[in-house]
Amino acid sequence: DVKVTQSSRYLVKRTGEKVFLECVQDMDHENMFWYRQDPGLGLRLIYFSYDVKMKEKGDIPEGYSVSREKKERFSLILESASTNQTSMYLCASSNGVWEQYFGPGTRLTVT
Amino acid sequence: EDQVTQSPEALRLQEGESSSLNCSYTVSGLRGLFWYRQDPGKGPEFLFTLYSAGEEKEKERLKATLTKKESFLHITAPKPEDSATYLCAVQGGGTYKYIFGTGTRLKVLA
Repeated sequence: DVKVTQSSRYLVKRTGEKVFLECVQDMDHENMFWYRQDPGLGLRLIYFSYDVKMKEKGDIPEGYSVSREKKERFSLILESASTNQTSMYLCASSNGVWEQYFGPGTRLTVT
Repeated sequence: EDQVTQSPEALRLQEGESSSLNCSYTVSGLRGLFWYRQDPGKGPEFLFTLYSAGEEKEKERLKATLTKKESFLHITAPKPEDSATYLCAVQGGGTYKYIFGTGTRLKVLA
């Protein structure tokens, strides 16, 4: 059974803090993605990675960075959290043109 | 620009009342169209992949179809447990990116 796990289900951080969200997949997938999901806006791509140490910006990369040191792990970093980064964060993985598999999500609140 | 539009935004059905959800798309060189189910507070769960016009896939009460411009998710005799948000996404040629619609919120009443 395929599995994508995320480090936290719920997270509360203060404005200005550095925040790390981690994602691990056990399917040996090449591609990994970070999205945020907000009501009425749907899923928006922040960053994706198609190989270890490779990354590409998605549609809304501002205020975020990523790290992929190992194939199974993809981290999202909020350098200095702001209230407008309060959201549901979803990690996904895939191989090539195949379907994505999503983690359970992290609901981040920045106060 | 690649785009996915889903309709309706929300749908309420009585148990057993069949209906269809629509996903209209514009993409350069469709590589795949994907349907997901998402329950509140959870990550999307993969349902189907369709690759070419005319293709159909079925799973229990759900059937997905694909034309050159749109896809339909048909729900036959739905049950309350089918209540969820259904998301459609496409992947175009020459990109790793998936473009998602904003989803259809389905509520099935007992």
